[in-house]
Amino acid sequence: EAGVTQFPSHSVIEKGQTVTLRCDPISGHDNLYWYRRVMGKEIKFLLHFVKESKQDESGMPNNRFLAERTGGTYSTLKVQPAELEDSGVYFCASSQALGQGRTEAFFGQGTRLTVV
Amino acid sequence: AQSVTQPDIHITVSEGASLELRCNYSYGATPYLFWYVQSPGQGLQLLLKYFSGDTLVQGIKGFEAEFKRSQSSFNLRKPSVHWSDAAEYFCAVVNYGGATNKLIFGTGTLLAVQP
Repeated sequence: EAGVTQFPSHSVIEKGQTVTLRCDPISGHDNLYWYRRVMGKEIKFLLHFVKESKQDESGMPNNRFLAERTGGTYSTLKVQPAELEDSGVYFCASSQALGQGRTEAFFGQGTRLTVV
Repeated sequence: AQSVTQPDIHITVSEGASLELRCNYSYGATPYLFWYVQSPGQGLQLLLKYFSGDTLVQGIKGFEAEFKRSQSSFNLRKPSVHWSDAAEYFCAVVNYGGATNKLIFGTGTLLAVQP
């Protein structure tokens, strides 16, 4: 069974450009999460999809970030325009149906974004 | 507010030595706790989890962790470290309030293993 897959693994862009990150969750997982780790800091929650619906986007930093999950399968996270502080590693995770916290999230390898 | 603290940013141990990585949490309800590991070039891999029951939980790769409610701790241990254990380790607690089971992570502990 394939795990969570993220593309690209690395991306270097200039300030002001647009970047789109992609996440393919494990097949059958309705829950999809985005997290981010800025250098030297903790991994922080960005948002949560249940199928194609945004369940919680309280962690999204600002309106330069747009996440979509069309059809409830893969998800994209677009940053437009990118700023220097957006640099970090973006993780995607997926899990099966919620069970009041008793669930295991499977993570992808992350996308390392560098804004120069 | 919910939080996880990993007081050790970087630890170096000799191969074959024992290991303990510290984790303290702050959470108002019954905590569901996890340890993840990230090896170079890899994603986050679940080592073990605690939901309820026996407070000593066994995980993969010979790791174990003990939940101590009185100390709000969930320390990770391994009796004999292997060079392949060099990685970054993250403790996390699930915030299951509402409809989102989002993870709250500590800042991570980077483990180096010397011959």
